[in-house]
Amino acid sequence: RKEVEQDPGPFNVPEGATVAFNCTYSNSASQSFFWYRQDCRKEPKLLMSVYSSGNEDGRFTAQLNRASQYISLLIRDSKLSDSATYLCVVRNTDKLIFGTGTRLQVFP
Amino acid sequence: NAGVTQTPKFQVLKTGQSMTLQCAQDMNHEYMSWYRQDPGMGLRLIHYSVGAGITDQGEVPNGYNVSRSTTEDFPLRLLSAAPSQTSVYFCASSYSMPSGPYNEQFFGPGTRLTVL
Repeated sequence: RKEVEQDPGPFNVPEGATVAFNCTYSNSASQSFFWYRQDCRKEPKLLMSVYSSGNEDGRFTAQLNRASQYISLLIRDSKLSDSATYLCVVRNTDKLIFGTGTRLQVFP
Repeated sequence: NAGVTQTPKFQVLKTGQSMTLQCAQDMNHEYMSWYRQDPGMGLRLIHYSVGAGITDQGEVPNGYNVSRSTTEDFPLRLLSAAPSQTSVYFCASSYSMPSGPYNEQFFGPGTRLTVL
């Protein structure tokens, strides 16, 4: 079983839609959680950290459920520019474990 | 401020050849790391360094060497290239180790390596 699992997608959604991605992790001792965004053939970039209380950054909301070992990312009012792969990242002690990513395609 | 730079962008090697992938950062970051990204596998850590003169192995270190003689540079050496090393290689840096408070990873643009 992979340490971090994500649905690879693709999720094809129209502009303006709300879309949610999920991620599960296997190590209950994981300490920190992040979402990174990766555009096609580009490097990953930090989108947002994920806090236990849940956090929001504009149209993006991240949630963490430690009991279920589950992280989510909600994107509201999708834009064409949101098309990318979203990587779920978990920190175990001093290592970052990357999921394989969920691909999002927003169409007009 | 160039951030993290990597050279070359593309490389084709024959089996058995050796080469060095270059990585440099100008942000005075202490922590640097190398990842490889393969389809369906996510990014996997090859080697990392917590400061000049200090390196350690990651998840998939076999076939690769690193050194960190300066804060800025962290080259990755392929000793004898194999087709299994065909991948996209990303160098990353951050102010602190992943367990530290300033652990946002800044990635370079990647090197696409093909080993024939």
